[in-house]
Amino acid sequence: NAGVTQTPKFQVLKTGQSMTLQCAQDMNHEYMSWYRQDPGMGLRLIHYSVGAGITDQGEVPNGYNVSRSTTEDFPLRLLSAAPSQTSVYFCASSYSNRGKLDEQFFGPGTRLTVL
Amino acid sequence: GNSVTQMEGPVTLSEEAFLTINCTYTATGYPSLFWYVQYPGEGLQLLLKATKADDKGSNKGFEATYRKETTSFHLEKGSVQVSDSAVYFCALRWGSTGFQKLVFGTGTRLLVSP
Repeated sequence: NAGVTQTPKFQVLKTGQSMTLQCAQDMNHEYMSWYRQDPGMGLRLIHYSVGAGITDQGEVPNGYNVSRSTTEDFPLRLLSAAPSQTSVYFCASSYSNRGKLDEQFFGPGTRLTVL
Repeated sequence: GNSVTQMEGPVTLSEEAFLTINCTYTATGYPSLFWYVQYPGEGLQLLLKATKADDKGSNKGFEATYRKETTSFHLEKGSVQVSDSAVYFCALRWGSTGFQKLVFGTGTRLLVSP
């Protein structure tokens, strides 16, 4: 199993550009989520999904869109990048968030810089 | 609202020293508590967890006990190694139904020297 994979690892954008951060998992996990990590602020939840076709907003959703057309993939879209979106982005997945199968597996992250 | 407070780092120790990283939380109801570790250049990995009061989570020599009376979940290790150098995040998970959100602390960097 590759686990949770993210691409690209690094990206530099100019203000106003758009891009999609890719996330894929091969563990047949139902739950997937996106976090951003900023210095001194820990990780904050952007969007999450409890299954294909179902998404919802987290703590900091503004400026980001998501969709979940398959169980495996959960891309994060920035429609018009802003410097405030400079951050490290992590994707995570789990079978559920209850009971023994609740461990979240994190991808290696995408470091995004918006100039 | 729900929140997690961790001690600020970095914590600098010599190999074989005793480690404590403090974590306290504020939450409604009875959250589950977690410690995650992030090694340089990698994503977060679950280190240990506890789901109810007085539970002790343990893994790789690390331990933490869910203390409801003091709303704490301090991370301890009796003898740290250089390979333990990483950033440690305390987190809680709450919600009675549906997707239970993880709330993270700000992280504590641990540096262990030989």
